[in-house]
Amino acid sequence: EIVLTQSPDTLSLSPGERATLSCRASQTVNSNSLAWFQQKPGQAPRLLIYGASNRATGIPDRFSGSGSGTDFTLTISRLEPEDFAVYYCQQYARLATFGPGTKVDIK
Amino acid sequence: EVQLVESGGGLVQPGGSLRLSCVASAFTFSDHFKDWVRQAPGKGLEWIGRIGNKGNSYTTEYAASMKGRFTISRDDSKNSLYLQVHSLKTEDTAVYYCVSTALPSQYWGQGTLVTVSS
Repeated sequence: EIVLTQSPDTLSLSPGERATLSCRASQTVNSNSLAWFQQKPGQAPRLLIYGASNRATGIPDRFSGSGSGTDFTLTISRLEPEDFAVYYCQQYARLATFGPGTKVDIK
Repeated sequence: EVQLVESGGGLVQPGGSLRLSCVASAFTFSDHFKDWVRQAPGKGLEWIGRIGNKGNSYTTEYAASMKGRFTISRDDSKNSLYLQVHSLKTEDTAVYYCVSTALPSQYWGQGTLVTVSS
């Protein structure tokens, strides 16, 4: 099983700042089969990024994904008030697993 | 508007069984891969398994920890996805989500809460 770790656990930032979230895999994630999700309290998760760097339908371009192999990054270029949420990475190269999440909260 | 609506959750005794359903509207259901994901109260996301589409012969895959007690099936004629769970344990208490994917789009249901308790 591919285990994903995310860092930091919590990221405290102000609106307008840049957020950089990390996801590391215990094994190489083939074909860059890595996705990022956003979840707000009481809501279902929403797909942001798939294939490590492709934005899903309707996702604003302030969200970007990068990385390959075992190290991946989600960047939010300028935080909007609605971006404060929990973010999960997921690999889907071998079955699927989620990381434990990074909470982005308001500083 | 695209919608996925889950049903079938509720209070179940340990050792019991249940069948969750997920009905889709307003999109071509049959093309999509389908997943079930759950989230225990206050915890992170946990992938349960997936069923493919007709093109890959409706192949099912499950997380290792879910194999044996969980069964995913679909009926494209009813735009429906199902999750059968046997021998329920208290640690199965969670919100269960159905997910429908045809990249670059993905749709999630609102979730249905399953509580396993005596």
